[in-house]
Amino acid sequence: QKEVEQNSGPLSVPEGAIASLNCTYSDRVSQSFFWYRQYSGKSPELIMSIYSNGDKEDGRFTAQLNKASQYVSLLIRDSQPSDSATYLCALQTSGNTPLVFGKGTRLSVIA
Amino acid sequence: GAVVSQHPSWVICKSGTSVKIECRSLDFQATTMFWYRQFPKQSLMLMATSNEGSKATYEQGVEKDKFLINHASLTLSTLTVTSAHPEDSSFYICSVSGTSVYEQYFGPGTRLTVT
Repeated sequence: QKEVEQNSGPLSVPEGAIASLNCTYSDRVSQSFFWYRQYSGKSPELIMSIYSNGDKEDGRFTAQLNKASQYVSLLIRDSQPSDSATYLCALQTSGNTPLVFGKGTRLSVIA
Repeated sequence: GAVVSQHPSWVICKSGTSVKIECRSLDFQATTMFWYRQFPKQSLMLMATSNEGSKATYEQGVEKDKFLINHASLTLSTLTVTSAHPEDSSFYICSVSGTSVYEQYFGPGTRLTVT
């Protein structure tokens, strides 16, 4: 049984700060990892994918993966109120298989 | 990323009627499509996996005779909610993936209200 654990939050950070979102998983054969952002009443939007250990940066977002520790994180630099949303961690064993989602962490960026 | 559309974006129907929801992959060939359901303040729940030209694989607890899925082409999958009841009211979202992309991209969702 694959499990993905996230702190449900809410995680509150002031505008301009770094938001750190964490995710742990139980299935060691997972190969692909994703972070989705979901605004209330909207569908999830893919913001980062990461497949190998280390860091991957895209604009204000940095994803970090440590397969030995079964840990993946998302850092959001210079947080903005528009970043306030629920962030979903997801993993996949192989291509075209269903994603396994965590329950999400609600982020609130305070202006 | 891939562009995915869903139609309709919202629908209200009477109890006992059927509703069809379309999911279209607009800019690449989606060999696999997934259908999810999300109730308010809850997580996404995978309903079924659909491969083009094959029968859908349903998750445990999802009635295949009630939620009919058709994936007849690489750009279109449909979900038909048959004999809908108020408890079927939910946010239905599709996602797509293909041989050319590893990621899954979600459609904008369809909000179904059954009265």
